[in-house]
Amino acid sequence: DGGITQSPKYLFRKEGQNVTLSCEQNLNHDAMYWYRQDPGQGLRLIYYSQIVNDFQKGDIAEGYSVSREKKESFPLTVTSAQKNPTAFYLCASTHPLGGNYGYTFGSGTRLTVV
Amino acid sequence: AQKITQTQPGMFVQEKEAVTLDCTYDTSDQSYGLFWYKQPSSGEMIFLIYQGSYDEQNATEGRYSLNFQKARKSANLVISASQLGDSAMYFCAMSPRGWGKLQFGAGTQVVVTP
Repeated sequence: DGGITQSPKYLFRKEGQNVTLSCEQNLNHDAMYWYRQDPGQGLRLIYYSQIVNDFQKGDIAEGYSVSREKKESFPLTVTSAQKNPTAFYLCASTHPLGGNYGYTFGSGTRLTVV
Repeated sequence: AQKITQTQPGMFVQEKEAVTLDCTYDTSDQSYGLFWYKQPSSGEMIFLIYQGSYDEQNATEGRYSLNFQKARKSANLVISASQLGDSAMYFCAMSPRGWGKLQFGAGTQVVVTP
């Protein structure tokens, strides 16, 4: 079945470390997105990419970096510059027709700083 | 800039009753898409229903219907005949032209009681 795979499900990071969250899709979607969700809040856009080798900052890009070398993959790196990285991270992709086809989300990665 | 407002942080509803979740939005775009997602405690985002700004009919999907009032910029979700499994966080979201980056509201926590 087609879908989005995020790994790992849980991730623990020490202060000052960079960590990379994986997002892979086999839906042949062009556009991919990274969102951050804090407890009891909505999702905020970190980065998005509409085609390979191109990506744009979202609303809260500081302290994060991404790459889009392949259509299927859109990894997110949480750098040591991100002051409060503990959150739930969701990756999504969009059907080319958008609209009623909706956005497909992965199952998320819960990142905790220890 | 787009903005989504969900004014109900949480609500209780009895099983088999209908519930309306409020959503208002602000945008200067003429073409846009409105979405509702369900997020159970597991964290996954489940697509419920979509309404295009030019759709004249209100969208319906099973027990879900979207009460779209374009002039008032509201897109309320109605869940009929609530079930215990409907207990979750519900998010209203909007995207330009029905595709592209999604902007989310803060969400409404729904608890269905027997």
